[in-house]
Amino acid sequence: GDSVTQMEGPVTLSEEAFLTINCTYTATGYPSLFWYVQYPGEGLQLLLKATKADDKGSNKGFEATYRKETTSFHLEKGSVQVSDSAVYFCALSTHAGGTSYGKLTFGQGTILTVHP
Amino acid sequence: NAGVTQTPKFRVLKTGQSMTLLCAQDMNHEYMYWYRQDPGMGLRLIHYSVGEGTTAKGEVPDGYNVSRLKKQNFLLGLESAAPSQTSVYFCASSRARDRKNIQYFGAGTRLSVL
Repeated sequence: GDSVTQMEGPVTLSEEAFLTINCTYTATGYPSLFWYVQYPGEGLQLLLKATKADDKGSNKGFEATYRKETTSFHLEKGSVQVSDSAVYFCALSTHAGGTSYGKLTFGQGTILTVHP
Repeated sequence: NAGVTQTPKFRVLKTGQSMTLLCAQDMNHEYMYWYRQDPGMGLRLIHYSVGEGTTAKGEVPDGYNVSRLKKQNFLLGLESAAPSQTSVYFCASSRARDRKNIQYFGAGTRLSVL
């Protein structure tokens, strides 16, 4: 079945440090890939997405590239801020045959804490 | 625009009690979902619905029931709560024609079963 594996957390960084959160996946077919972010006390928000190989998703300074050859979708940011402290989820979506319903499969989440 | 609204935000139950979690969306989305979030396990799909009057089981459906009587509402019921159902519950919705399957989430309901 489909699965998503994220790097173990928590990750603690100083402000302006470089961030990488690793994500690899296993899926049949050609999934869409997502990063969701969950700020304290809130629900999940879509951070960025990529729908085909070599696509780069980007938003709020975060980037991730869909690498089919390594089945990876690593999240990066060049200079993190205290406000980036949150839980980050990697996820993939595949489609049931004949329908547009897509099941989202999530990784376990990575807690990021950024100190001033 | 409210998006996806979940009620209540917090609840404490005793083992064996029942309750219903309400999810409402104002985006006219066809698809709705219930997930549970447990530490170290990400989100797991409990039940989902692809339209009014239809529901289907997800990855972890046991102990839960759902109903979608109106397009904008998706209810999750626990008939006899167990401590294993202590979790944070999230509702989400998405458009039927969105093949990227971008889902929009509510703020969650934190449930403790004693």
